[in-house]
Amino acid sequence: EDQVTQSPEALRLQEGESSSLNCSYTVSGLRGLFWYRQDPGKGPEFLFTLYSAGEEKEKERLKATLTKKESFLHITAPKPEDSATYLCAVHSGSRLTFGEGTQLTVNP
Amino acid sequence: ETGVTQTPRHLVMGMTNKKSLKCEQHLGHNAMYWYKQSAKKPLELMFVYNFKEQTENNSVPSRFSPECPNSSHLFLHLHTLQPEDSALYLCASSQQGGASGANVLTFGAGSRLTVL
Repeated sequence: EDQVTQSPEALRLQEGESSSLNCSYTVSGLRGLFWYRQDPGKGPEFLFTLYSAGEEKEKERLKATLTKKESFLHITAPKPEDSATYLCAVHSGSRLTFGEGTQLTVNP
Repeated sequence: ETGVTQTPRHLVMGMTNKKSLKCEQHLGHNAMYWYKQSAKKPLELMFVYNFKEQTENNSVPSRFSPECPNSSHLFLHLHTLQPEDSALYLCASSQQGGASGANVLTFGAGSRLTVL
């Protein structure tokens, strides 16, 4: 059975304090890994798709990386507006399996 | 309106009530999905529709009944629910049909359901 584990569950940062979120996965054959952002009272919003180990994608202060066992979402010099829950999802076979998410809070 | 719109945003119902959740997408997408989001649990796929045809039912109890009259509208009919069914129900759409795992999803804001 496919498993996706995100850590930490919650993370508090000061504005400008860079850090990383982790998404570890165990799947029979990775076909793609997705990152979504979810704000309170809203649905998840797509950020990135990664397909193969070594691939990286960037968007503003966010950079996603992928290895054969995990993905990292690096947040550089975060701002309060980056506060949200970040969800990781893995495509294997025909299914998409989500992790439980990391709740990020960035204090001014 | 743009994107994916869900109504109602909040719903409180008793265990014997019948209610429906509505989803409409304005993106011209061909696939629509229902997901359940509970606190401290991962998103759970419930149903997938491709070009109005149901292609996935993730072992969902029959008290949840989906309906997809066309590619732009999706309903979730609810009856005799249990308190453990209280959750955020998210509708999503994707441009392509086919396997549910392959596509970038556009989500609505969700319908927060409370079953008393």
